[in-house]
Amino acid sequence: NAGVTQTPKFQVLKTGQSMTLQCAQDMNHNSMYWYRQDPGMGLRLIYYSASEGTTDKGEVPNGYNVSRLNKREFSLRLESAAPSQTSVYFCASGDFYEQYFGPGTRLTVT
Amino acid sequence: EDQVTQSPEALRLQEGESSSLNCSYTVSGLRGLFWYRQDPGKGPEFLFTLYSAGEEKEKERLKATLTKKESFLHITAPKPEDSATYLCAAYYGQNFVFGPGTRLSVLP
Repeated sequence: NAGVTQTPKFQVLKTGQSMTLQCAQDMNHNSMYWYRQDPGMGLRLIYYSASEGTTDKGEVPNGYNVSRLNKREFSLRLESAAPSQTSVYFCASGDFYEQYFGPGTRLTVT
Repeated sequence: EDQVTQSPEALRLQEGESSSLNCSYTVSGLRGLFWYRQDPGKGPEFLFTLYSAGEEKEKERLKATLTKKESFLHITAPKPEDSATYLCAAYYGQNFVFGPGTRLSVLP
């Protein structure tokens, strides 16, 4: 089992460009999550999906959109990237009581 | 204001020198308090879930405890491979919040 996989591992964008971060899990979990991690601020929840077809905002949703494509896949889209969105993005699956994280995507917006 | 804080920010221990990490929380309606370990360049790895004050859980050299205001992660006789950042998180209401983490270094 691969667990939670994320693509790409690294990405550099120019301000205003758009991109989609992909996440997939093979653990048959209903819930999936997107976080960002910034130095000194810890992990912050962007969006989560409790089940296929549903999504909810987390602590910092502005500037992002998500799609729960099916039970396995949950994508995060930046429509118009800003330097403030430079961060490491983590996808996770599982319920709130026990989450399994992917390896992360390091995104730089110049 | 709802908050999850951790102390110290960084901790250096000699191999075998036991210590504790602190996670303080000021939230209403705690549903769970969690500890994760994060190695550099990797995603967090789940360690423990604590549900109510007085609860304790153990795993190898780690023991997590919970009171009504804080949680402790006790590390007994640590080894260099225990070096990592330790994160706590609180689930309350419809919110899930991580603390900033404690960076632990265990020197041989």
